Amino acid sequence: AQSVTQLGSHVSVSEGALVLLRCNYSSSVPPYLFWYVQYPNQGLQLLLKYTTGATLVKGINGFEAEFKKSETSFHLTKPSAHMSDAAEYFCAVIHSGGYNKLIFGAGTRLAVHP
Amino acid sequence: DAGVIQSPRHEVTEMGQEVTLRCKLISGHNSLFWYRQTMMRGLELLIYFNNNVPIDDSGMPEDRFSAKMPNASFSTLKIQPSEPRDSAVYFCASSQGGDSNQPQHFGDGTRLSIL
Repeated sequence: AQSVTQLGSHVSVSEGALVLLRCNYSSSVPPYLFWYVQYPNQGLQLLLKYTTGATLVKGINGFEAEFKKSETSFHLTKPSAHMSDAAEYFCAVIHSGGYNKLIFGAGTRLAVHP
Repeated sequence: DAGVIQSPRHEVTEMGQEVTLRCKLISGHNSLFWYRQTMMRGLELLIYFNNNVPIDDSGMPEDRFSAKMPNASFSTLKIQPSEPRDSAVYFCASSQGGDSNQPQHFGDGTRLSIL
């Protein structure tokens, strides 16, 4: 069965600093991996996805993530944090070959301070 | 293009009452998902429809919960009778097909409070 672990339920960075949100997955078959962002009182918005091909995936708002099979990781990064990046971020996995049922991590709340 | 539309955005009602949550899919999408989000349990998939047919309802908590798709663009989630432990934010999401690489698009949710 697939599962996702997000290390750190809360991350705090200074504006302009590197953002690193960690995600490790468990899957016995090649996974499809997603990052979603949730702003207060809103639904989840897709940031980026990895299905096949290039392992470094670029998304919206300057975020990117790298699929590392050997480490079973899909960490999310952004070189320079902006105040507007403050939100909750969810990593999710789909079992390739099945329907697109998302298995979510517990989420990481990102705070950005001046 | 309009995204997934949910109504109402907020609902406060007394326990024992029937609650109906509504969701309009994105035009052209044929897969529909209902989720529940709580602090304790995070995001839980309740039910998944494809082409108006329920495919996976293993996440529906109990018989008090029911979901329907009366047509290809609309879905309802009903709770009857409601209980305080049903208080949560309920999201629906749609996708273009149920293939594994199709991303889900979420509505803004219904915040439900059962008193």
